[in-house]
Amino acid sequence: DQQVKQNSPSLSVQEGRISILNCDYTNSMFDYFLWYKKYPAEGPTFLISISSIKDKNEDGRFTVFLNKSAKHLSLHIVPSQPGDSAVYFCAASEETSYDKVIFGPGTSLSVIP
Amino acid sequence: DTGVSQNPRHKITKRGQNVTFRCDPISEHNRLYWYRQTLGQGPEFLTYFQNEAQLEKSRLLSDRFSAERPKGSFSTLEIQRTEQGDSAMYLCASSHVHEQYFGPGTRLTVT
Repeated sequence: DQQVKQNSPSLSVQEGRISILNCDYTNSMFDYFLWYKKYPAEGPTFLISISSIKDKNEDGRFTVFLNKSAKHLSLHIVPSQPGDSAVYFCAASEETSYDKVIFGPGTSLSVIP
Repeated sequence: DTGVSQNPRHKITKRGQNVTFRCDPISEHNRLYWYRQTLGQGPEFLTYFQNEAQLEKSRLLSDRFSAERPKGSFSTLEIQRTEQGDSAMYLCASSHVHEQYFGPGTRLTVT
């Protein structure tokens, strides 16, 4: 019973182009969403988050879009850089239990120079 | 600014042995979390502390697992009578608000 799904295990993008990572969730009680990036041999690093009261949050090259009706969010990276190559995890939590964060299985992004 | 640290980074043990991992959170963070991650999966929540109080435990945390956070500072995660299925990366994170900051993890291999 996977509440957070990332259906693309891997994605390859040319340097300078846009990377779009997708995430779907099933629990309608989720109201806070996060993206984490993970390099090999390191723990996940917080990247960007969005509350359910918004539909977009932007931080530099990273933008997260939330479509509550579709229970879908996406992370856009523009322009993509080789250093963005990593595993990206989508995560979600409920307002009443925001400490219990549920992670998706991750998408491995490769940015090709 | 030191981040979250975990020791040891790697642990190889024989089935049936007990192991203990340590996590030192970011000093001003009052919340501390333990996760387990297996290959191809995201981190799975195990338990969390607010200060020294353990507030939630996942059903993944069997009675062979115990976590403590004495004095609300560092935390330990002990696994008794290890099984091969316990082989995984054990991640610790800490936070002040929503965003959690992760340590590098302890990779456990049970032979």
